[in-house]
Amino acid sequence: GQNIDQPTEMTATEGAIVQINCTYQTSGFNGLFWYQQHAGEAPTFLSYNVLDGLEEKGRFSSFLSRSKGYSYLLLKELQMKDSASYLCAVLSGGSYIPTFGRGTSLIVHP
Amino acid sequence: AAGVIQSPRHLIKEKRETATLKCYPIPRHDTVYWYQQGPGQDPQFLISFYEKMQSDKGSIPDRFSAQQFSDYHSELNMSSLELGDSALYFCASSLGLSGRTGNTGELFFGEGSRLTVL
Repeated sequence: GQNIDQPTEMTATEGAIVQINCTYQTSGFNGLFWYQQHAGEAPTFLSYNVLDGLEEKGRFSSFLSRSKGYSYLLLKELQMKDSASYLCAVLSGGSYIPTFGRGTSLIVHP
Repeated sequence: AAGVIQSPRHLIKEKRETATLKCYPIPRHDTVYWYQQGPGQDPQFLISFYEKMQSDKGSIPDRFSAQQFSDYHSELNMSSLELGDSALYFCASSLGLSGRTGNTGELFFGEGSRLTVL
């Protein structure tokens, strides 16, 4: 099985930078996803990391350290529309099924 | 671009009734996943299909069954509905199995079917 841990809630100011952490414990590791989910809507793909390091994609970046079982999602120049839940999902142990964490609810205020 | 289509978007049923949810994956996607998401909960994996065969099974109750048809659409059948089955049911599709070598396996989610059991 796997254990995925994320903070429940974070708040930040419009225009600021926020880092959302995800730690995991798995038997085997095949990759890690970050998804964004607005309330009542479908999760939308943000990033996929399988190798150590930072992947940058516009305002969003994702980092992975396999040895530490740790990832973070970095959001820059925050906008009000970034208020959403951010889900960390892990592929592990030969499974091709992403297992989601509880998600981090990000609230961006003016 | 075409996305994952789910129907119905909203469904209200009574306890012990049955319900069927449908999912039409993105064209050429051969893998379908079903997730259940309760209020304030993370999506819980139910079942998946790859090339019309069941590929993985998660926390799907015995009262539920699913299949993938020749046109790759999938249906989730739920019987003897219980109050606790009230949730948002997401279908997702991908090209190939997520995480396989050379495949980022990004899952594309549909907008979900909201089931309310009264």
